[in-house]
Amino acid sequence: QLQLQESGPGLVKPSETLSLTCTVSGGSIRRSDCYWGWVRQPPGKGLEWIGSIYYSGNTYYNPSLKSRVTISVDTSENQFSLKLSSVTAADTAVFYCARVLSWPIMSHFDYWGQGTLVTVSS
Amino acid sequence: QSALTQPPSASGSPGQSVTISCTGTSSDVGGYNYVSWYQQHPGKAPKLMIYEVTKRPSGVPDRFSGSKSGNTASLTVSGLQAEDEADYYCTSYAGSNNLVFGGGSKLTVL
Repeated sequence: QLQLQESGPGLVKPSETLSLTCTVSGGSIRRSDCYWGWVRQPPGKGLEWIGSIYYSGNTYYNPSLKSRVTISVDTSENQFSLKLSSVTAADTAVFYCARVLSWPIMSHFDYWGQGTLVTVSS
Repeated sequence: QSALTQPPSASGSPGQSVTISCTGTSSDVGGYNYVSWYQQHPGKAPKLMIYEVTKRPSGVPDRFSGSKSGNTASLTVSGLQAEDEADYYCTSYAGSNNLVFGGGSKLTVL
């Protein structure tokens, strides 16, 4: 059974960079038929796709966040990571990592991590 | 890209059917058969309920069904049960390797 687990600081200061890692277990991140993605959800609000990465390193970002987002993959550790720069209070959210089927079209998220709350505050 | 439009709320009595709509444009919902639906209970991660407009993952009850007409996709829940009370989100492929979510709909079982 595939499992995803987010990890990283729960508190980030304004203007700094938010960094999270997603560890994939129960399966290889080096699958040719899927992407790996990040989704966030501000408290009490809806879901927003942040971006996705293919195991080869190709990345795809939400245009509204593209200038501040970097997603990377470490196939040796079966992990992928998110960096969001210049954060403000508006970036406070629960961040989820998920597997995105299929390739080449990103269709749907079938496995999700439990989510991790990141608060932006001084 | 703009978020897909969902009604903020929907409701029905146990045993009834309820339909939640998801309206986009010809650049997303109307242009591709890659609409998916997610159920989210409070404090939990979203759960995939429908993908590629009409397909149900293994384990999802057949009370849940999806459809699409033009730029609007719909999720229908038949035979409502108390456990169906949750938030529901639609997503669509939006071209150029982009995905867009709907704003979410809160389903209340009366």
